[in-house]
Amino acid sequence: DTGVSQNPRHKITKRGQNVTFRCDPISEHNRLYWYRQTLGQGPEFLTYFQNEAQLEKSRLLSDRFSAERPKGSFSTLEIQRTEQGDSAMYLCASSFGDGASNQPQHFGDGTRLSIL
Amino acid sequence: AQKVTQAQTEISVVEKEDVTLDCVYETRDTTYYLFWYKQPPSGELVFLIRRNSFDEQNEISGRYSWNFQKSTSSFNFTITASQVVDSAVYFCALSEGGTGRRALTFGSGTRLQVQP
Repeated sequence: DTGVSQNPRHKITKRGQNVTFRCDPISEHNRLYWYRQTLGQGPEFLTYFQNEAQLEKSRLLSDRFSAERPKGSFSTLEIQRTEQGDSAMYLCASSFGDGASNQPQHFGDGTRLSIL
Repeated sequence: AQKVTQAQTEISVVEKEDVTLDCVYETRDTTYYLFWYKQPPSGELVFLIRRNSFDEQNEISGRYSWNFQKSTSSFNFTITASQVVDSAVYFCALSEGGTGRRALTFGSGTRLQVQP
């Protein structure tokens, strides 16, 4: 069990640029989640995949945000035309889910995005 | 709608003191899960415990114990004989059970500082 891996750890970019983050979940986990955390706050849910299907998106996920999970393995989160308000820590989590079970989500170290 | 309230923003104790972190939740679901996560200064969210809504037994794990009371919608966390390594931000979280949404709703966290 190598844990959830996120890359890059830090990303600094200019306003208006596009950025893409990657998440590699724990290998046997079929569920993958993206959250955003700003300073002094708890993580806020963005989106959730079960295998390759994106099953839920938060209202926080504006049309500038897109997430994919091709083949149900790793996932990418892209932000287009970044804005100052996008500065945050982006967290990925994964879990194993079977039917109605809701197993604990295990989190990666996050990608910290800073918009200049 | 779900909501988690952690009214204590910051707590400071001296090593070996006991400390209780409060968590109050709101949900209309009859089946749900409650979680506690620890976020040390390094940043990674570490899973501590999951409890489902049908299991109101208190749980003890070493110096950690959890008190779940449905009557008051609370899921409090006590650290006995605190240590400096317990210094972190602690988050309480809630998710739906059954076939409901899998996303975690987090509280705003309680920062615990344990002084030597």
